[in-house]
Amino acid sequence: AQSVTQLGSHVSVSEGALVLLRCNYSSSVPPYLFWYVQYPNQGLQLLLKYTSAATLVKGINGFEAEFKKSETSFHLTKPSAHMSDAAEYFCAVSDRGSQGNLIFGKGTKLSVKP
Amino acid sequence: EAQVTQNPRYLITVTGKKLTVTCSQNMNHEYMSWYRQDPGLGLRQIYYSMNVEVTDKGDVPEGYKVSRKEKRNFPLILESPSPNQTSLYFCASSADRGFTEAFFGQGTRLTVV
Repeated sequence: AQSVTQLGSHVSVSEGALVLLRCNYSSSVPPYLFWYVQYPNQGLQLLLKYTSAATLVKGINGFEAEFKKSETSFHLTKPSAHMSDAAEYFCAVSDRGSQGNLIFGKGTKLSVKP
Repeated sequence: EAQVTQNPRYLITVTGKKLTVTCSQNMNHEYMSWYRQDPGLGLRQIYYSMNVEVTDKGDVPEGYKVSRKEKRNFPLILESPSPNQTSLYFCASSADRGFTEAFFGQGTRLTVV
């Protein structure tokens, strides 16, 4: 069975600092991996996805993530945080299997201090 | 415009009164899924469907029913809602089983009193 673990339910950074949101996955087959963002009172927006091409994936708004199979990780980074990055971030995994399934982590709420 | 439409967006109801949240997609997607979102718990899958008349339970199916009689629609049914089903609900659809191009509805905020 697939699962996703996001380390840290809350992360706080200063504006201009590095953003690092951690995600580890468990999957019996090579996974697809995703990061979604949810701004307050809004729906889900796809930031980026890994579908077995390049292991370093670039997304919208300056975010990127690196797939590391040996560490079963897919951490999200951004070199310099902006106030507008304050939101909740969800890591998700699908196993490409016959079921057609997308499983989410519990989310990490990012706060950005001025 | 490609979209997933959920209705209603907001609903306040009383315990035990049956309700249905509709989900419709206009992209001819085979795969559809329902999630509930609760603070600190992220999005948990309730049910998913691989095609017409093919559904399966997710992680938190108790108290919910679904049907998939036509490809475009995937309603979520609460036969006897209880306060612990107060939550934000999302429907999603995808053309591929990997959900690499998933579309999400805007969400339905349900309050059961």
